Amino acid sequence: DIQMTQSPSTLSASVGDRVTITCRASQSISSWLAWYQQKPGKAPDLLIYKASSLENGVPSRFSGSGSGTEFTLTISSLQPDDFATYYCQQYNTYYTFGQGTKLEIK
Amino acid sequence: EVQLVESGGGLVQPGGSLRLSCAASGFTVNSNYMSWVRQAPGKGLEWVSVIYSGGSTHYADSAKGRFTISRDNSKNTLYLQMNSLRAEDTAVYYCASVREGNYFDHWGQGTLVTVSS
Repeated sequence: DIQMTQSPSTLSASVGDRVTITCRASQSISSWLAWYQQKPGKAPDLLIYKASSLENGVPSRFSGSGSGTEFTLTISSLQPDDFATYYCQQYNTYYTFGQGTKLEIK
Repeated sequence: EVQLVESGGGLVQPGGSLRLSCAASGFTVNSNYMSWVRQAPGKGLEWVSVIYSGGSTHYADSAKGRFTISRDNSKNTLYLQMNSLRAEDTAVYYCASVREGNYFDHWGQGTLVTVSS
């Protein structure tokens, strides 16, 4: 099975900051990676697929990059609505999620 | 507009059974890959099962042999039959559509399953 490891587990930042979350796969997954945002009590929302393709309606301050085993999600300028938990997910072989990164207000 | 609405969650004793439903609107479940994803309280997301448009299915190891995913095309509804439930199956269960068989683009609101005596 493919394991996904996110870092950090928790990230404290301020409005306007640029933040980066990393996701590593236990084996190469090419670009078969998605990112989701989840707010408390809500279902996840798709942000990015195929490592770097922005889902329709997602603000352009979100971007993704990477291939193979290392991927990043970057938020260029944090907005108040961005404080949430973020998950990566591989779909190279079935489906596996990372453990999540909680983005908190500093 | 795509909408997914889960139901069927509740409190069940260890060893018991429960069937979850996911009613879809705005698209047809049998033309898409559909999946169940769960989230234990305070924990991360865990993929549970998928049913392909052709009808074949696949399960996470944690669900294999105990859970069965199915669909009713006439009702445009996805199901998850859960048997031999354990305390560790306690979670919010989400149904989701799987775009191109790859990533989860639409999610329901979730239904809570609690396994406890």
